[in-house]
This record gives sequence, C-alpha cells and structure tokens, in this order.
Amino acid sequence: GQQLNQSPQSMFIQEGEDVSMNCTSSSIFNTWLWYKQDPGEGPVLLIALYKAGELTSNGRLTAQFGITRKDSFLNISASIPSDVGIYFCAGQLLREVSFNKFYFGSGTKLNVKP
Amino acid sequence: DSGVTQTPKHLITATGQRVTLRCSPRSGDLSVYWYQQSLDQGLQFLIQYYNGEERAKGNILERFSAQQFPDLHSELNLSSLELGDSALYFCASSVGSVPYEQYFGPGTRLTVT
Repeated sequence: GQQLNQSPQSMFIQEGEDVSMNCTSSSIFNTWLWYKQDPGEGPVLLIALYKAGELTSNGRLTAQFGITRKDSFLNISASIPSDVGIYFCAGQLLREVSFNKFYFGSGTKLNVKP
Repeated sequence: DSGVTQTPKHLITATGQRVTLRCSPRSGDLSVYWYQQSLDQGLQFLIQYYNGEERAKGNILERFSAQQFPDLHSELNLSSLELGDSALYFCASSVGSVPYEQYFGPGTRLTVT
C-alpha cells in the first residue's frame, strides 16, 4: 500500500516565488530523500536526510527531516524556469530497515511561469 | 549524466512476449535497483541486487525476474507481457547495500501493444 502522502499534487507558480512541498506518513521513517525528475529522464537526487530534525540545503533548495520522523518538506526559494519538473520524496521505513525496501511518494509536479 | 546506463531506451513489443532490459551501474557501485514507473505515477520498487545476490524484493510480479552478473551489470526479464506492463523501467545503483543515495539511469520505455 501507499506509505507516503506527497502534497500538493501539482503547483503553478510565477518565476521568483518560493515553493514548499511535503511528504507525510503514518509510519516512522529512517531516511528521507528528495529527487527531481525531468520529462523522459531518471530522477536526480537533490537532498538526503538521515536524522530527525536535520535541515539541509543545496543551493536554493532546503529540506528538513521532521522531528516526529513521519514527515519531510522541501522548499525552493526564488524559483526559476528550470525548476520545472516532478519532485519526489522517498524514504525507508524504520521498521523495514532490514528489508532494504524503499518507497517513493506520488510526486509534486511544479510548473514555473516566466 | 549519473553514470548509470540502461539499454534499450525504447522497446515496443506485443502481449505475451518476453523482453530483457539491461543496466550497467556507476563505476564502483555494487548495488543495482529496479523500479517501474507507470504513466504519471510514482516509482514502484521492484528488486535490489547487491554484489550478485538478491538483497531486497518489492512489488515484483512472478512474471518478472532479474539477475546481477559478475561484472555487476544487471538484467530485468519481463515475460508473458500484458498491456499493463507498459511503463518506464528505471535502474539505479548505489555504492553499498543500503539504498540511501541511489543514482538513476535514463530509463527504458516499454510499450506493450
């Protein structure tokens, strides 16, 4: 079943605006990762988070591992047209660490108007 | 370029047929993961191999199988294909056996007619 709820499903924003998206789960996660996928391409790793409360930046991107370990958010500041794409959260359930399974959210489709 | 290569890029085949997708991991990576992405969907984890051995299994159908060879490249075999198997199939690789930082290939688009 679906372990991750990612929202919003899609966003239409103006260039220069800030963006926020998040992932939530009813279960505790061991790791949270954020990926970006361009059309017809494979996902590209943006940020990896390994500890509850961890806040990590990568250029204009900032992501946090929620204190409860059940959520994570990704912020993009001052969006530009090349930010267009689908953003996926992904993670590993704490209770399934030994099984090595990985879950992906359903994605947030970002559209940026120049 | 992630360093992960996948062939072929596109594949069109008929129902009931069998196909093989190939993946070469990044240099030095021992793990290979296979994912299926249907239209406008997220990625569904299928299977992971680490240094030639199956390490983790996701929602992989019995009609699908995979293996990792001594040179660490991997193949995903899809048999008795159905229309619903049409999807993008991605391979990813990572250095160790844990899937934390996976690097994805460009994918193989499979169309079953």
